[in-house]
Amino acid sequence: DTEVTQTPKHLVMGMTNKKSLKCEQHMGHRAMYWYKQKAKKPPELMFVYSYEKLSINESVPSRFSPECPNSSLLNLHLHALQPEDSALYLCASSHSGAGVTDTQYFGPGTRLTVL
Amino acid sequence: SQELEQSPQSLIVQEGKNLTINCTSSKTLYGLYWYKQKYGEGLIFLMMLQKGGEEKSHEKITAKLDEKKQQSSLHITASQPSHAGIYLCGADSGGYQKVTFGTGTKLQVIP
Repeated sequence: DTEVTQTPKHLVMGMTNKKSLKCEQHMGHRAMYWYKQKAKKPPELMFVYSYEKLSINESVPSRFSPECPNSSLLNLHLHALQPEDSALYLCASSHSGAGVTDTQYFGPGTRLTVL
Repeated sequence: SQELEQSPQSLIVQEGKNLTINCTSSKTLYGLYWYKQKYGEGLIFLMMLQKGGEEKSHEKITAKLDEKKQQSSLHITASQPSHAGIYLCGADSGGYQKVTFGTGTKLQVIP
């Protein structure tokens, strides 16, 4: 089973709202990732958690706040977003952590629209 | 930083035809991933290549990594409408959990 689930599937929010994206995997993977994908562009890495600790932050604005409550869950808290933050947000997980690149398995994504 | 260029950018083929997508890296590839994405959906893992000269197949899709490890190709035999989507190559940045993705190839298969 290589399933990564994401909720919600679609999200519309105003610039003053606070919302959260959720990602879950039950494969025992030790690393989890957030990517942002704009239309007709490849995914861009935002954050990497390895063994529940933030290991990579690709200079993402502070209005995006990741959280890893346990080894199966990954959240992305959103606050005071801008319309240009509208995109498909993808979560992924991989078996290996601690600096080892391994096959990443992706969730279906959350389509975010900021009004 | 590593850059991955894919060619062609888009491809329209008749059902049953063979096709090839290329992925060229600006640096040596330590690991090369191929993914497929339907519009607005997640990425589906296809194959991973690590060794120069390596070739892997799954159903009608074959991927190769050249000996110099700077180029990979994805070949689809007897294409079907189910093969339609966007194909993305991704490169391992030398074991730092960072994968850089290529520019993508959009494939349409006409019945």
